[in-house]
Amino acid sequence: GENVEQHPSTLSVQEGDSAVIKCTYSDSASNYFPWYKQELGKRPQLIIDIRSNVGEKKDQRIAVTLNKTAKHFSLHITETQPEDSAVYFCAASTLGGSQGNLIFGKGTKLSVKP
Amino acid sequence: DAGITQSPRHKVTETGTPVTLRCHQTENHRYMYWYRQDPGHGLRLIHYSYGVKDTDKGEVSDGYSVSRSKTEDFLLTLESATSSQTSVYFCAIGLAGGPGEQFFGPGTRLTVL
Repeated sequence: GENVEQHPSTLSVQEGDSAVIKCTYSDSASNYFPWYKQELGKRPQLIIDIRSNVGEKKDQRIAVTLNKTAKHFSLHITETQPEDSAVYFCAASTLGGSQGNLIFGKGTKLSVKP
Repeated sequence: DAGITQSPRHKVTETGTPVTLRCHQTENHRYMYWYRQDPGHGLRLIHYSYGVKDTDKGEVSDGYSVSRSKTEDFLLTLESATSSQTSVYFCAIGLAGGPGEQFFGPGTRLTVL
């Protein structure tokens, strides 16, 4: 079955710097890769996702890149702000498959210092 | 928001007692999921449903059962709660009509003493 590894587990940056979180997946059939942000005591919320037919997607200060050959994808946050502090989860899934459930990484706790 | 609620939001119970958590959605989504979240483990799938009376196991299903008799309700039952089931439980709905983007409920914090 699918396995998703996420690194680093914790990340501390200064406000205004960039942050990068990386994930690798094992199942070459995976074709959908979402990223969720979870603030303390809140539910995980989808912030961006990418499908395997594109290599990069941007939404304002966040972007996700996908390398299908190497089976890894990354979240990039530019010009970080204190409100970006949260736990971020990557996930992988096979859309259209009979077992297309999301498999999550273990999370990265991002701290943005003012 | 996609209209998903969980009840209760907090519960403290004793080892050996049965516990049922409820997930309710208002938008007729076919797919529903139950996850547990523990420090260092991220989100792990317990059970999921792809329609009324259609359910299947996830990666951590031992000690849990589910039922879905109506589209809007997905129940998670711990038949005999254990301390290892102390966790935060999230329900989610699949927004795309199938596997893919999921929207999470607010969560239930369960403590088993």
